[in-house]
Amino acid sequence: ETGVTQTPRHLVMGMTNKKSLKCEQHLGHNAMYWYKQSAKKPLELMFVYNFKEQTENNSVPSRFSPECPNSSHLFLHLHTLQPEDSALYLCASSQFPGELFFGEGSRLTVL
Amino acid sequence: QKEVEQDPGPLSVPEGAIVSLNCTYSNSAFQYFMWYRQYSRKGPELLMYTYSSGNKEDGRFTAQVDKSSKYISLFIRDSQPSDSATYLCAMSVWSEGGSEKLVFGKGTKLTVNP
Repeated sequence: ETGVTQTPRHLVMGMTNKKSLKCEQHLGHNAMYWYKQSAKKPLELMFVYNFKEQTENNSVPSRFSPECPNSSHLFLHLHTLQPEDSALYLCASSQFPGELFFGEGSRLTVL
Repeated sequence: QKEVEQDPGPLSVPEGAIVSLNCTYSNSAFQYFMWYRQYSRKGPELLMYTYSSGNKEDGRFTAQVDKSSKYISLFIRDSQPSDSATYLCAMSVWSEGGSEKLVFGKGTKLTVNP
């Protein structure tokens, strides 16, 4: 496989569920990101990891919990989400400023 | 004032038309300027990347940056139905501490009609 792979592509969960989104990059990049994309809003940066170390947490609610076990894998753990958290969650990796390689996203619906 | 402003459209043009997509920004510290293309149900993909004022051409696509006016544009010549997508501008700056600030526009939805 090449590029950035995200699973699952679609997820429906209740507000009391716990689920995780997974991202894997095969590009050898040092940085990985989680973005949230909602209708009619710009991409919102959630978390950044450089060399497995979290370098940015953009005031994201604690019901979102990232995990980066190595430079190729990134998880987003979800628990007690709200309906307004329904969105497309995009993972990206990069090696150079501004050059992000995105996965196809995980479409999350919170009931 | 938002850091990056982009008209969300939608924009609809006939096949073969020249398309102009634009963004304005307020932060004069931005150093890198990008255009991403996002097809429906896909993640964004980097289309054009530049770090200086002026024009950069790649096939039918031309990216233009005017730092004095804080204005960037993407031109698409001989537009094709396959160009139908949402186009997002993005710009970034690196801080002295080594972290990057990357800001996206809302995206402009383009439809090219055959």
